[in-house]
Amino acid sequence: EAGVTQSPRYAVLQEGQAVSFWCDPISGHDTLYWYQQPRDQGPQLLVYFRDEAVIDNSQLPSDRFSAVRPKGTNSTLKIQSAKQGDTATYLCASSAPGLGASAETLYFGSGTRLTVL
Amino acid sequence: AQKVTQTQTSISVMEKTTVTMDCVYETQDSSYFLFWYKQTASGEIVFLIRQDSYKKENATVGHYSLNFQKPKSSIGLIITATQIEDSAVYFCAMREENSGTYQRFGTGTKLQVVP
Repeated sequence: EAGVTQSPRYAVLQEGQAVSFWCDPISGHDTLYWYQQPRDQGPQLLVYFRDEAVIDNSQLPSDRFSAVRPKGTNSTLKIQSAKQGDTATYLCASSAPGLGASAETLYFGSGTRLTVL
Repeated sequence: AQKVTQTQTSISVMEKTTVTMDCVYETQDSSYFLFWYKQTASGEIVFLIRQDSYKKENATVGHYSLNFQKPKSSIGLIITATQIEDSAVYFCAMREENSGTYQRFGTGTKLQVVP
């Protein structure tokens, strides 16, 4: 079974440029999360979806960040005008449907390491 | 408000010894789930072990076990017979069952296992 796939692996931008991150979750996983992990910190939730619906985007800087999951499978996170403070690793994770231990476990992708100069 | 705190920034231990990493949490919910994840040098994050708040028995998976002290809001991760490959950053996370919809993470503890 393939794991969570993310691309690109790295991105380097100048301030003001736009960038998109792509995530393909594990097949059959209905819930998809985007976390931001600044250097030497833990992952911090940006947004998450169940199928195609946004469940919580309260942590997403809405003026510059957007995320979609149109068919309930792949997802794209976009930063419209990047700032130096956006420098971090962007992690995608997915979890299985239903209740119980298997549904609680997060499976992470390898992340996209973003540097904004 | 939900909060997870890991005060140990880094730990260094000798190979084949036992190490404990601390984690304390804050919650108003009577039911919650606690998790430990490992992040390797490559950046990969993998799930290790979990504890449900209603369970009194400490969880154990392989050479990982938990020290769940509910009155102290504490969930320590114990690694026995450490190996060089255990060197990584370890994160504690929590999800509240009734009011929390996603897992919140601590800041992590970097473990170095030396020969």
